[in-house]
Amino acid sequence: AQSVTQLGSHVSVSEGALVLLRCNYSSSVPPYLFWYVQYPNQGLQLLLKYTTGATLVKGINGFEAEFKKSETSFHLTKPSAHMSDAAEYFCAVSDRVSSASKIIFGSGTRLSIRP
Amino acid sequence: DTEVTQTPKHLVMGMTNKKSLKCEQHMGHRAMYWYKQKAKKPPELMFVYSYEKLSINESVPSRFSPECPNSSLLNLHLHALQPEDSALYLCASSQLDRNTGELFFGEGSRLTVL
Repeated sequence: AQSVTQLGSHVSVSEGALVLLRCNYSSSVPPYLFWYVQYPNQGLQLLLKYTTGATLVKGINGFEAEFKKSETSFHLTKPSAHMSDAAEYFCAVSDRVSSASKIIFGSGTRLSIRP
Repeated sequence: DTEVTQTPKHLVMGMTNKKSLKCEQHMGHRAMYWYKQKAKKPPELMFVYSYEKLSINESVPSRFSPECPNSSLLNLHLHALQPEDSALYLCASSQLDRNTGELFFGEGSRLTVL
């Protein structure tokens, strides 16, 4: 069975500060890992994904994440927060076996940006 | 602009009503999904269609009835719902061949059951 754990349901940073959102995963097979962002009253949008190859993954809006197998982690970072980054962020895991994507989402982290 | 279109964006219905949510995508994806999302919670998988056939039903009550008329359309028929079914219903699609696991979401249909 697969699962993800997001540490911290709410993270608040100042504008211009480093953003770090934590995600740890559990998977019996090599996982696909994702970060999705959800703005209020909208659907989910893919920020970035790890499938294979390079462990440092760059996404949209200046975000990046590093797959660390030894730590079973996939933390999301951004060097400098912007007010528009305020949203809900979901880490997610999918197995490589199913033909359709049975994605399991973490509980989410709400990111607030202080002026 | 999202490439997965959901209608209606908002729906209010009584417990005896019958209504439907609709989803459409034109990306050639052969997998389509319904998720339910309660406030401040992650999306929960309800149904998955692969090649227009139901492949996953996450033990969803029968008052929710999915339908996939063709590879571009996905419906969710609603009947005799309960107030606790009020939520944001999200449709998504993905590739099946060369599947990387990525889902493409619509903006959702916000359902209120009175």
